[in-house]
Amino acid sequence: EIVLTQSPGTLSLSPGERATLSCRASQSLSSNSLAWYQQRPGQAPRLLISAASRRATGIPDRFSGSGSGTDFTLTINRLEPEDFAVYYCQQSGTSPTFGQGTRLEIK
Amino acid sequence: QVQLVQSGNEVKKPGASVKVSCKASGYIFRRFGISWVRQAPGQGLEWIGWISGYSGKTHYAQTVQGRLTMATDTSTSTAYMELMNLRSDDTAVYYCAKDANPLIPEPQMFDFWGQGSLVTVSS
Repeated sequence: EIVLTQSPGTLSLSPGERATLSCRASQSLSSNSLAWYQQRPGQAPRLLISAASRRATGIPDRFSGSGSGTDFTLTINRLEPEDFAVYYCQQSGTSPTFGQGTRLEIK
Repeated sequence: QVQLVQSGNEVKKPGASVKVSCKASGYIFRRFGISWVRQAPGQGLEWIGWISGYSGKTHYAQTVQGRLTMATDTSTSTAYMELMNLRSDDTAVYYCAKDANPLIPEPQMFDFWGQGSLVTVSS
């Protein structure tokens, strides 16, 4: 099983700042197989980024993804109040797995 | 627009079974797989299984292998999951989620999600 480790566990920032979230895989991934999701309280997850860097339909361009191999990053520029949520990375394939999540909270 | 509408919340006793449905609309059902993902209270996301909308082929997570059955009814564009021999640690919100890419024979990333169905296992 491929283990995804996200860091930090919690990130405290203010609106307008930049958030940098990390996802490290236990083995090398195809870039096509890494996605990022946002989950707000009481809601289903929402796809933000697929194939490591491709924004999903309707996702603002302040969200960007990068990385390859075992190290991937989600960057959120100019944080808006609605961006404070939990973020998960996920690898696809025969047995998908999710990271444990990063909670982005208002400082 | 794409929608996945799940059946309601359930309360079950240990050892019982639960069946959750996921009715899809707004896309060609047979072209995309459906995964089931669960989230225990206050915890992260756990993928538990996938079914091809085209062939009915399934992949199950090791943690539920032997207890989980997935099926589709293409005439109604509905996916089902049935989890048997329920335990207290099966208590979770269960989500269905649609594959982002068509006609790929394994789970993908998920571009649309159902609203979730809370399954509570308690004696």
